[in-house]
Amino acid sequence: QVQLVQSGAEVKKPGASVKVSCKVSGYTLTELSMHWVRQAPGKGLEWMGGFDPEDGETIYAQKFQGRVTMTEDTSTDTAYMELSSLRSEDTAVYYCATLSGGVGWFDPWGQGTLVTVSS
Amino acid sequence: DIQLTQSPSFLSASVGDRVTITCRASQGISSYLAWYQQKPGKAPKLLIYAASTLQSGVPSRFSGSGSGTEFTLTISSLQPEDFATYYCQQLNSYPFTFGPGTKVDIK
Repeated sequence: QVQLVQSGAEVKKPGASVKVSCKVSGYTLTELSMHWVRQAPGKGLEWMGGFDPEDGETIYAQKFQGRVTMTEDTSTDTAYMELSSLRSEDTAVYYCATLSGGVGWFDPWGQGTLVTVSS
Repeated sequence: DIQLTQSPSFLSASVGDRVTITCRASQGISSYLAWYQQKPGKAPKLLIYAASTLQSGVPSRFSGSGSGTEFTLTISSLQPEDFATYYCQQLNSYPFTFGPGTKVDIK
């Protein structure tokens, strides 16, 4: 059974970068398609990007193009999401989630990482 | 991009009520739709995938239906633990979009 454990909360200043990790257990990262979703306080879910198993490429939401980088360290089965040029609107809980069933659904999810951007 | 709308956005109901939430897509997405339940401070939990397939371990009072552009999530008899926010998500094409959510509250 896949389990995802994310890194702890972060506080960053505007203009800085943040790198959130998502450690996989139960499977190897190469067997999975990892995606990232964020949720601003009191708001809905927003897909940021993830690995497309059909094309073998990482796809980013246009909104985050140029600011987000999703990487994987297969030696430690850890996925990373780095977001740069942070602004206050990036304050949110960031989730990793596994795309399952080919292109079917997100399950499981990590527990979430709160990133606060404040001067 | 495919837009998803949900109705209602807020629902007040009592234990034992039958509840239906609708999700509409701006274009056809076949059956590439999932439903999630989220409680405050927790990650979303998968309920339904492929529009109508119940995720393992999810109570049978939850059901999903629809294809194309209109989908529904039904809770046949609302239980105290079902008070939460529900989101639909389309996985037909990138970007994978979520609906705005439906909050189910206690009447």
